[in-house]
Amino acid sequence: AQSVTQLDSQVPVFEEAPVELRCNYSSSVSVYLFWYVQYPNQGLQLLLKYLSGSTLVKGINGFEAEFNKSQTSFHLRKPSVHISDTAEYFCAVSQNRDDKIIFGKGTRLHILP
Amino acid sequence: KAGVTQTPRYLIKTRGQQVTLSCSPISGHRSVSWYQQTPGQGLQFLFEYFSETQRNKGNFPGRFSGRQFSNSRSEMNVSTLELGDSALYLCASSWTRDRAYEQYFGPGTRLTVT
Repeated sequence: AQSVTQLDSQVPVFEEAPVELRCNYSSSVSVYLFWYVQYPNQGLQLLLKYLSGSTLVKGINGFEAEFNKSQTSFHLRKPSVHISDTAEYFCAVSQNRDDKIIFGKGTRLHILP
Repeated sequence: KAGVTQTPRYLIKTRGQQVTLSCSPISGHRSVSWYQQTPGQGLQFLFEYFSETQRNKGNFPGRFSGRQFSNSRSEMNVSTLELGDSALYLCASSWTRDRAYEQYFGPGTRLTVT
């Protein structure tokens, strides 16, 4: 069964500094990867997804992620964070295009002033 | 276009009772998925419905059940509530089951079991 590991439960970072949130998934022949964001007291919102093609995926709010098949990773990056990026970020995987989506346990991003 | 709505937003129940949660998807969306979110376990997939049929199921006991109506609205039911069922229950809708199409999440129903 597919699984997702988010290596950091919390990441503190200063405002305007770069950030990387790490995600590793269990290997499979095919895999579809997602990053979601959850702001306080809200549902989840899709940031970006990888289905096929270019391994560098650009999403909303200046985020991007790189699919690395050899390292089974899908790390999320932003070159300069803002206080409004304070949220919980979830990495997720689906084994097939119509399979259930399995989520990691989330990483809380704390932006320090 | 209205988003995914979930009712009620907050619910307090007693151990042993049962509860029904409702989810209205975005107009035109036919796939509805349910998730349980807790601090310890994170987001866990419960089940997915498409065209009134359950298509995927997570690893939850039979006390958790769901259904989907012809208008794509979905309900989930939890019988014989346990303290560990306290969680945020999220519903997500999508136009189809193809993951190329975005899942849109509702704000959730916060269930507290006492």
